[in-house]
Amino acid sequence: DAGVTQSPTHLIKTRGQQVTLRCSPISGHKSVSWYQQVLGQGPQFIFQYYEKEERGRGNFPDRFSARQFPNYSSELNVNALLLGDSALYLCASSRSFVEQFFGPGTRLTVL
Amino acid sequence: EDKVVQSPLSLVVHEGDTVTLNCSYEVTNFRSLLWYKQEKKAPTFLFMLTSSGIEKKSGRLSSILDKKELFSILNITATQTGDSAVYLCAVAALQGAQKLVFGQGTRLTINP
Repeated sequence: DAGVTQSPTHLIKTRGQQVTLRCSPISGHKSVSWYQQVLGQGPQFIFQYYEKEERGRGNFPDRFSARQFPNYSSELNVNALLLGDSALYLCASSRSFVEQFFGPGTRLTVL
Repeated sequence: EDKVVQSPLSLVVHEGDTVTLNCSYEVTNFRSLLWYKQEKKAPTFLFMLTSSGIEKKSGRLSSILDKKELFSILNITATQTGDSAVYLCAVAALQGAQKLVFGQGTRLTINP
């Protein structure tokens, strides 16, 4: 079975721009979570979606938004990019909410 | 505020050594504790621990959880250079969402 896939793998944007990151979960997994990992730190929870509904949100500003589609894939949007948004963005999918399986991530660089 | 603390932050050992990585936590609505290995990008799942005192083993890796003292350890015996990675400890907390609260990670380097 294919694992979690994310696109793009790398992205370079300038301050003030907007970005959309995409994630496809493992087949059969209905829950998708997004995490931000700044260099040298552990991942930080941003959002969780289940059956297209937002289940929870971490301590991130409203510039961050997400949605989940009927096929359970998900998009993370970040508006008005700041230098501090530069990070690895990880998507994780799960069947039972307990074990979460991570994709390879999208490396976002904001200049 | 939920908190997961890992120690040491960095560890350098020689191939063949045994290492112990530590994880302590203070999390509301604890569900389970998970260990991940991160080499380049995607953290890969190692263990999930839910019950105290029951050791989980996979080859040279083993882990145990103490829910009374709120900590877990990850042991790696007979280390190999391929074990070099960042090891992440995460606690699953149910607060509306099932979110993972991660520690900072331990960077393990195995020298030949």
